[in-house]
Formats: sequence, structure tokens, C-alpha cells
Amino acid sequence: EPEVTQTPSHQVTQMGQEVILRCVPISNHLYFYWYRQILGQKVEFLVSFYNNEISEKSEIFDDQFSVERPDGSNFTLKIRSTKLEDSAMYFCASSLRGPSSYEQYFGPGTRLTVT
Amino acid sequence: SQKIEQNSEALNIQEGKTATLTCNYTNYSPAYLQWYRQDPGRGPVFLLLIRENEKEKRKERLKVTFDTTLKQSLFHITASQPADSATYLCALGRRQLTFGSGTQLTVLP
Repeated sequence: EPEVTQTPSHQVTQMGQEVILRCVPISNHLYFYWYRQILGQKVEFLVSFYNNEISEKSEIFDDQFSVERPDGSNFTLKIRSTKLEDSAMYFCASSLRGPSSYEQYFGPGTRLTVT
Repeated sequence: SQKIEQNSEALNIQEGKTATLTCNYTNYSPAYLQWYRQDPGRGPVFLLLIRENEKEKRKERLKVTFDTTLKQSLFHITASQPADSATYLCALGRRQLTFGSGTQLTVLP
């Protein structure tokens, strides 16, 4: 069964450093998403991406964050200058296009630890 | 602001019984409501989606209801099994999902 994959599974970085989290969505999916989950808290929406542009973003997704689809398979989240409060599990998800296709398929996550 | 509440943080039931989980929301009129399962350290897994014009949806041992007047969804697992033990998340929306904090279900053998 097709699945969303994410790398790395765990990333440790120092405050102020840039990180790039990588995702490979399911191949025939056209919508891509990033969510984050701070330990013990809710899953929070960051951004959705369709047709090579951001379609929706939350207040969390400020200028420190960016997303890119550099090729036909990868989808990346970049955090330019990490803060301690960016420590969280980051989930990539993807879904099909169309009104009958709103279920989202999540990857296993990347645990980001900012020290 | 939008608020989603899931009935309790934790729910313990005996194997074979029906588990009923509640999701209430305020300040929102979602056209879609979704339920996901999350195991520790893993990503959410889609279970069911229900539209505002649907009263009930079923999939195998799972059933979800959606009452837009009460602003509530109920999620039922019949004939529960220890393998059903997980955190169940309610989510509102189509693409930009707003998640509840989840109910941790434990099915006791």
C-alpha cells in the first residue's frame, strides 16, 4: 500500500540553525500538507500546497517557514532560524484532489529537537 | 475562535464492549468532520469522514454520527479489541484540518 515517507526520523539542531525536513508524498496525490505536534499537545496545521503554490497557511507559518516541491516527488519544509519552541514532531500529509478526496494520509513524522 | 472538545482525555472499556467517543465544537460550521487514529510516536491515520448533510457513516466496526444542530459528532467502535487501543482525534475541515486534543482509548482484555 502506498505511504507517505519522511526523512530524517529525528533531527537535532542548535537554535538559530536552518533545518530542512523532507517528505515523499503518495505518488498520485496532488495536495500536500505540513502539520506539527508539540509534545503532549494537539496536531496543528501549518500549510497546504497545491499546484506548486501555497493554498492555505496558519498563523504559525510565519516568514521563518517555507515549503518547496523541488522535483516531482519530494516536498520540503524549511525553517530558516530555529527557535527552542520549534521543537516538535512535524508531520507531512498528502491527499487526492477533488471533492471526494479530503482524507489525508500522514507520514511517520520527523522529531525536531532544537537545543 | 474555533474550539473543539473531545469528551475525555482517557476512556477505558472492556473488550467486546462498544466505545463511544464524543467531539463537540463551537464557533464553527464545518462542512466536513473527520476521525483519525494516532498511536504513540506515529502520524494520524484516517478512519472516517462525514459530511454535514450526512447523519451517519459506517465502516466495518466503526460508526460516526454528525449532528450540526448540537455541533457534535459521536464515534463508536463496536466489539472493541485491545488492538483498538490508541488516541482518537476528531478533525474539522476539508484541507486545513483543525484537530481536537484526542481521547486516549484503552480496551482492557
